[in-house]
Amino acid sequence: DAGITQSPRHKVTETGTPVTLRCHQTENHRYMYWYRQDPGHGLRLIHYSYGVKDTDKGEVSDGYSVSRSKTEDFLLTLESATSSQTSVYFCAISGGTSAQQETQYFGPGTRLLVL
Amino acid sequence: GQQLNQSPQSMFIQEGEDVSMNCTSSSIFNTWLWYKQDPGEGPVLLIALYKAGELTSNGRLTAQFGITRKDSFLNISASIPSDVGIYFCAGSGIQGAQKLVFGQGTRLTINP
Repeated sequence: DAGITQSPRHKVTETGTPVTLRCHQTENHRYMYWYRQDPGHGLRLIHYSYGVKDTDKGEVSDGYSVSRSKTEDFLLTLESATSSQTSVYFCAISGGTSAQQETQYFGPGTRLLVL
Repeated sequence: GQQLNQSPQSMFIQEGEDVSMNCTSSSIFNTWLWYKQDPGEGPVLLIALYKAGELTSNGRLTAQFGITRKDSFLNISASIPSDVGIYFCAGSGIQGAQKLVFGQGTRLTINP
């Protein structure tokens, strides 16, 4: 299994509060991603990173920001959580050999409930 | 966003039966991936395909990268109870873009 951990694994918070989710990898992979998974929508890309301090938006980036100050850590921040951000959040990594750079490995997920 | 057409959406089978599911796209892909997701867990990579026509096995699982590069299938032989879960296909269409397009998933249920 790819060495990916996410913290926290579960979180309950209130509307309007800031929330930060952490993804940590031990694989030294270049690319890291944040997805959310909701019934009826499948996996949707929020933000991704292609290197330290290099990030870009995905298809559902509004209300989210990210930071990557080290290769191994990718943080997702909800500046002011809303109920629509209740979801399961998955981190993924990729960047093995050149032939396999599109192959993504997923973390265990963080279940977030915004009340 | 763009999604792959994955079918069937759900399957109800008897233990021991073989399973087949597929994904199609209107675009050409360079990589096809198959994942399985158990309840409360993250998707786990089952098989990765990198060349058109490639046929790859992982135990009882076999997947193929279609010759047209617009489709892929996954077969599971002699299903067992632990095969229950949701199976996702994913494709990458642009070399080096590192973004995946996902299917909506096939939910597999097995009657013992």
